[in-house]
Amino acid sequence: DIVMTQSPASLAVSLGERATINCKSSQSVSYNSDNKNYLAWYQQKPGQPPKLLIYWASTRESGVPDRFSGSGSATNFTLTISSLQAEDVALYHCHQYLSPPFTFGQGTKLEIK
Amino acid sequence: QMQLQESGPGLVKPSETLSLICTVSGGSISRSSYYWSWIRQPPGKGLEWIANIYYSGSTTYNPSLKSRVTISVDTSKNQFSLNLNSVTAADTAVYYCAANCSGGACPAAFGYWGQGTLVSVSS
Repeated sequence: DIVMTQSPASLAVSLGERATINCKSSQSVSYNSDNKNYLAWYQQKPGQPPKLLIYWASTRESGVPDRFSGSGSATNFTLTISSLQAEDVALYHCHQYLSPPFTFGQGTKLEIK
Repeated sequence: QMQLQESGPGLVKPSETLSLICTVSGGSISRSSYYWSWIRQPPGKGLEWIANIYYSGSTTYNPSLKSRVTISVDTSKNQFSLNLNSVTAADTAVYYCAANCSGGACPAAFGYWGQGTLVSVSS
């Protein structure tokens, strides 16, 4: 199984400041044939299902604000929120969908400082 | 816009079978390139992918649960289902059904989720 490790486990950031969440995979999630990174980021608010934010490591899902961005390749990835808004308080998950069993990070809880 | 909705008992006794159904609306479960999954989240913990199925009936299981899980599809009802047998308290979780498409311009990640249903295992 590909193990996904997120850091930090929790993060407190002031409104308007940058938030950065890291995700490391135990093996590369880049597929040679199409040169894509099979890595996604989800946002989950209390009592709600996860919502897809980013796929292919850096492509924003339709409707996701451009303050959210994803970067990285192979085994190291980052989700950045450029200017934190109150509505961004949530649990964030990274996810590899290269090979089953598809796996998720343990989650990062983002709060307002 | 496609929507998914889980249904099933909220309480299951230890050693019994957990059975859930996911009903798909706003799109056909037989649409090509879509895979239908079950994912769970124990209280306060991370997400665990359980299994997926294609409309043809082709399945993939998480090895950690494979011996206890069956996923199936009913195209006539636009539903797919999950059976998890011999449950214990460790199977207490919110269970989500989800969908992803594959190939072409598809994101391939889970773009569609049900609201989730909490299943507690207790006597």
